[in-house]
Amino acid sequence: QQQVKQSPQSLIVQKGGISIINCAYENTAFDYFPWYQQFPGKGPALLIAIRPDVSEKKEGRFTISFNKSAKQFSLHIMDSQPGDSATYFCAASTTAGTYKYIFGTGTRLKVLA
Amino acid sequence: NAGVTQTPKFRVLKTGQSMTLLCAQDMNHEYMYWYRQDPGMGLRLIHYSVGEGTTAKGEVPDGYNVSRLKKQNFLLGLESAAPSQTSVYFCASSQQDIWEKLFFGSGTQLSVL
Repeated sequence: QQQVKQSPQSLIVQKGGISIINCAYENTAFDYFPWYQQFPGKGPALLIAIRPDVSEKKEGRFTISFNKSAKQFSLHIMDSQPGDSATYFCAASTTAGTYKYIFGTGTRLKVLA
Repeated sequence: NAGVTQTPKFRVLKTGQSMTLLCAQDMNHEYMYWYRQDPGMGLRLIHYSVGEGTTAKGEVPDGYNVSRLKKQNFLLGLESAAPSQTSVYFCASSQQDIWEKLFFGSGTQLSVL
């Protein structure tokens, strides 16, 4: 119930294409769904996040789509660029009860020039 | 602002040796965390702290100890290192009132031979 399942494990996209990474969760107490971006040799950094009261959030070329009934959320990167090549982690957290902040297993994205 | 600083950046240990990883943050954050990152397993929480003098176990606490004697510092100790503890270790911090956003350090690459 604590897991956040992320797919695919790796993704190769042509420059200008759309990158889509999916995550699914079980715990309905989760109320915050961030995405982190990690470049090689660096720590993860918050990219974009969504709360379950909205179905979509967009920041520039990055969009989170959220489906509360299906307990799924996804990251869409429009017009993917080589500089977007990184590892992306979804996560889910809750303010209810004991601290919980669970990460997915990560997706390594490579955008070809 | 330095943000979250981890030392050392790299370390090689022999099985059975001990060491301490140091994390320092200059953002006056209440919450601090230690994660380990392994291929295909994402980020897993080892221990965390919700304030000076407090610590709590995360998902994978066995073989590790922590201390938070000062608000700005969070130490992770390995008393008797094992090859299974070969990993990249990340420290993170967050504000108490906006605790969902994690600020990560740049990581410590630890190899246990």
